[in-house]
Amino acid sequence: GAVVSQHPSRVICKSGTSVKIECRSLDFQATTMFWYRQFPKQSLMLMATSNEGSKATYEQGVEKDKFLINHASLTLSTLTVTSAHPEDSSFYICSARDRDSPRRSTDTQYFGPGTRLTVL
Amino acid sequence: AQTVTQSQPEMSVQEAETVTLSCTYDTSENNYYLFWYKQPPSRQMILVIRQEAYKQQNATENRFSVNFQKAAKSFSLKISDSQLGDTAMYFCAFTKGPAYGGSQGNLIFGKGTKLSVKP
Repeated sequence: GAVVSQHPSRVICKSGTSVKIECRSLDFQATTMFWYRQFPKQSLMLMATSNEGSKATYEQGVEKDKFLINHASLTLSTLTVTSAHPEDSSFYICSARDRDSPRRSTDTQYFGPGTRLTVL
Repeated sequence: AQTVTQSQPEMSVQEAETVTLSCTYDTSENNYYLFWYKQPPSRQMILVIRQEAYKQQNATENRFSVNFQKAAKSFSLKISDSQLGDTAMYFCAFTKGPAYGGSQGNLIFGKGTKLSVKP
């Protein structure tokens, strides 16, 4: 249980194009989903927090117009990198927090497998 | 503001031996949760163990156990009978709780400890 998927796992795109990454909770409803960015050999950096049906909360320094987050349902959140540039190349990871399952803690985040974005 | 510190960038251990990874944190909160996550070369973040701050008993999960010292704000991870598959980055993380108290559940991560298990 508590499986989170991400699609695509890898994407290569040209500079100036937009890329959408999907994050799905497969066997539970997610109260909240989180988007992280991870550079090589570094820790995870929280980019934004999204709650279903409301606007995402972005961390300081993260451009909301560049990284569009949509949390349309309790099982799906999307991150769109708009007008991507080479400096946006990174590993993007999503996580989801279980809504209110009695079997699992509601304070535990379950992570997707990540998406490697390369912008040429 | 909460911070999480992992003072060991890299560690190594022989297969079948025991290793302890250190983590300290700073918070003024009284109710919170602490986690250890593992990130193997596949880069999938995997929950290893979880500890509620209000529980005095240390959490255990098979070969993994923690030494939670609330007063000292210390949360170390002990891996017993180390296996080659334990080779990974290990991240200590903190979140305020509980979820129903309005906490967004943001995780604050340490910088990680790279653990290598040698045959």
